[in-house]
Amino acid sequence: DIVMTQSPVSLAVSLGERATINCKSSQSVFHYSKNKNYLAWYQQRPGQPPQLLIYWASTRQSGVPDRFTGSGSGTDFTLSISSLQPEDVAVYYCQQYYSTPWTFGLGTRVEIK
Amino acid sequence: QVHLQESGPGLVKPTQTLSLTCTVSGASISGSEDYWTWIRHHPEKGLEWIGYAHDFGSVHYNPSLTSRVTISLDTSRNQFSLKLTSVTAADTAVYYCVRGVRDNWFDLWGHGTLVTVSS
Repeated sequence: DIVMTQSPVSLAVSLGERATINCKSSQSVFHYSKNKNYLAWYQQRPGQPPQLLIYWASTRQSGVPDRFTGSGSGTDFTLSISSLQPEDVAVYYCQQYYSTPWTFGLGTRVEIK
Repeated sequence: QVHLQESGPGLVKPTQTLSLTCTVSGASISGSEDYWTWIRHHPEKGLEWIGYAHDFGSVHYNPSLTSRVTISLDTSRNQFSLKLTSVTAADTAVYYCVRGVRDNWFDLWGHGTLVTVSS
């Protein structure tokens, strides 16, 4: 199984400041023939199910604000929130869909400082 | 708008079978190219993909659960179901029914249902 490791476990950021979340996969999730990274990011607000933010490592799902940016390739990925808003308080998960079983990171909790 | 809603018992005794149903509204699972998926969330272990069923006939399960799990579609009711046999306390989790799309990212989630395994 591909192990997804997220860091930090939690972080506190002031409103309007940048939050950066890291995700590392135990093997590359880059699909050479399709030239794509098979990685997604999800946001889970308190009391809600996870919600898709980004797929292909950097493509925002429809309706996701452009302050959310995914980057990285191969085994190292980053989710950035450029200007933290109150509604961004949540746990964020990365997921690989390169090979089954699809696996998730343990999550990063983002709070307001 | 497409919605997924889980239903089933919230308490299951050890060694029994956990059975959940997901009702899909706003879209037909019949003829769909999507992957009708179950994912669970353990408090400590995080999110775990259980498996999917596809209307074109394929099913695929997590190897860690494949001996105990069955996912099936009921296209006449626009539902899909999960059965997990021989449950233990380790199967206590929030269970989500989810739509997997394209190469298997997950764009729609039910609200989740807590299933506790306890005598």
